[in-house]
Amino acid sequence: QKEVEQDPGPLSVPEGAIVSLNCTYSNSAFQYFMWYRQYSRKGPELLMYTYSSGNKEDGRFTAQVDKSSKYISLFIRDSQPSDSATYLCAIKTYSGAGSYQLTFGKGTKLSVIP
Amino acid sequence: EPEVTQTPSHQVTQMGQEVILRCVPISNHLYFYWYRQILGQKVEFLVSFYNNEISEKSEIFDDQFSVERPDGSNFTLKIRSTKLEDSAMYFCASSGTETNNEQFFGPGTRLTVL
Repeated sequence: QKEVEQDPGPLSVPEGAIVSLNCTYSNSAFQYFMWYRQYSRKGPELLMYTYSSGNKEDGRFTAQVDKSSKYISLFIRDSQPSDSATYLCAIKTYSGAGSYQLTFGKGTKLSVIP
Repeated sequence: EPEVTQTPSHQVTQMGQEVILRCVPISNHLYFYWYRQILGQKVEFLVSFYNNEISEKSEIFDDQFSVERPDGSNFTLKIRSTKLEDSAMYFCASSGTETNNEQFFGPGTRLTVL
């Protein structure tokens, strides 16, 4: 079963705060865990991804996977007003012949207040 | 920077009418996708397309839906007889190769069925 659950928020934080965004997933076979950012009236844009478990850091962003609890997290340090967007977690599963589908969470709407 | 484009940005149609949503994927990409997002709901996978045929389709993608790559640049989604519940944002995405396969999303077409 392909399911990803995400608290839709909204989440409002002051500038400079640390933001924690979380998702849970149902299938322990999932290997690729993605985070997308979606600005208003735009399509999702890949922010970062992790393969299997552990942490991955990219600037102010850290993606974390805990496979034992089927929990994925995105942390944003020193949040900025430009980080205000909807953040979508997603699972990537391969369809074969190199194509794959993304199963998204509902998205968490984040507002960073100056 | 290359990007996926979609036209129109907003389409209004009467129930039972046929609609064609158009996408121009990134020029050297090989894999093409359609997703939809009903207002307030998750982004959902519809179909993937590679080498001029469907790679995978979801349960949503029934006989009312079809996809086509009529020439070297366009990728279309046709809904034969629209229903009220087809009202959604439709996103096209494309990805390059098996080794560099991030999906890039277009800005979406908002379809309103009256």
